[in-house]
Amino acid sequence: GQQLNQSPQSMFIQEGEDVSMNCTSSSIFNTWLWYKQDPGEGPVLLIALYKAGELTSNGRLTAQFGITRKDSFLNISASIPSDVGIYFCAGLGTGFQKLVFGTGTRLLVSP
Amino acid sequence: NAGVTQTPKFRVLKTGQSMTLLCAQDMNHEYMYWYRQDPGMGLRLIHYSVGEGTTAKGEVPDGYNVSRLKKQNFLLGLESAAPSQTSVYFCASSTPLAGVGETQYFGPGTRLLVL
Repeated sequence: GQQLNQSPQSMFIQEGEDVSMNCTSSSIFNTWLWYKQDPGEGPVLLIALYKAGELTSNGRLTAQFGITRKDSFLNISASIPSDVGIYFCAGLGTGFQKLVFGTGTRLLVSP
Repeated sequence: NAGVTQTPKFRVLKTGQSMTLLCAQDMNHEYMYWYRQDPGMGLRLIHYSVGEGTTAKGEVPDGYNVSRLKKQNFLLGLESAAPSQTSVYFCASSTPLAGVGETQYFGPGTRLLVL
């Protein structure tokens, strides 16, 4: 099945550092979503992007919907230990809304 | 407002046994989905429903059946469990926002082990 290319696969950073991860696709999407999943939990929505070029922030998180509609990135500023988890991007195409997920970026933050 | 809830949280089955996973949402969402998550595979869509009484196949539907008898509930059934169905199952729901887009909200997951 179709999946988005998400990178990096994993990151190990020091507390206070900024983080950037991105997703690319060969298909156009009309909506990009970013989720965070903690161990043993379901994905929790962080940011939703609905327009090409849109830049949206949610606290220390900033995400952008690429102009080509084939990519998106997520930035986390001044990381803290509770940012640890797996971050997934997801895209929604046209027609019926079936999500296509990225393979995830595992983030580890060292205090 | 509990959002999306799933029962049970964890289950162990023997090969060939059957079971039903229940998903409930209290957000009056039209669409509901069942995904499975396996290591390194992300989430894959099993079945989905665009409204009460309607269901459709997703990416990996084989070995599963679903029913949406009530708008707030979406049931996932395994008629004869196989070890390949060991996974974490997530339910999600959403509703289209006219002219804007849509977001899906996920339940906490059901961990299934088939021996």
